[in-house]
Amino acid sequence: GESVGLHLPTLSVQEGDNSIINCAYSNSASDYFIWYKQESGKGPQFIIDIRSNMDKRQGQRVTVLLNKTVKHLSLQIAATQPGDSAVYFCAVPTYTGNQFYFGTGTSLTVIP
Amino acid sequence: DAGITQSPRHKVTETGTPVTLRCHQTENHRYMYWYRQDPGHGLRLIHYSYGVKDTDKGEVSDGYSVSRSKTEDFLLTLESATSSQTSVYFCAISEGNEQFFGPGTRLTVL
Repeated sequence: GESVGLHLPTLSVQEGDNSIINCAYSNSASDYFIWYKQESGKGPQFIIDIRSNMDKRQGQRVTVLLNKTVKHLSLQIAATQPGDSAVYFCAVPTYTGNQFYFGTGTSLTVIP
Repeated sequence: DAGITQSPRHKVTETGTPVTLRCHQTENHRYMYWYRQDPGHGLRLIHYSYGVKDTDKGEVSDGYSVSRSKTEDFLLTLESATSSQTSVYFCAISEGNEQFFGPGTRLTVL
């Protein structure tokens, strides 16, 4: 089956700097990827997604990069703000799309 | 929040007691899921449902049962709670390729 892992359990950045959070997946057939943000005491919330026919997708202050060759994706947050402090997960649906595999999460702390 | 609520939000119980957690959705989604979240682990699927009375096991289903007698409610039952089931439980629905999560239930089994 699929496995999904994040590279760093914790990350601290200075307010205003850019943040990069990484995720690796194992199944080369995976064709869709999602990033979630989970604030303390809340459920995960969808941030951005990307399909395998794309290498890059941009949202508001966030960019996801997909490298299918090494089965790696990253979430970049520009001009990180204190409100960005949270745990970030990547998720990969199964081939049926009805189940998801989740990474263990990277806890991002923004230092004012 | 895709109209997902969970109850209770917090519960403390004793080993050996039965516990039922409720997930309620207001938008008629077909698929519903129960996950548990523990330190050092990603969200792990317990059970999911693909329709009324249609359920299937996930990765960590031992010790849990579910029921879905109507579209809007998905119940998770711990028949005899154990300390290893102390966790935060999230309900989710899927819409297309996305999942939307409820606010979570923090369960402590003493």
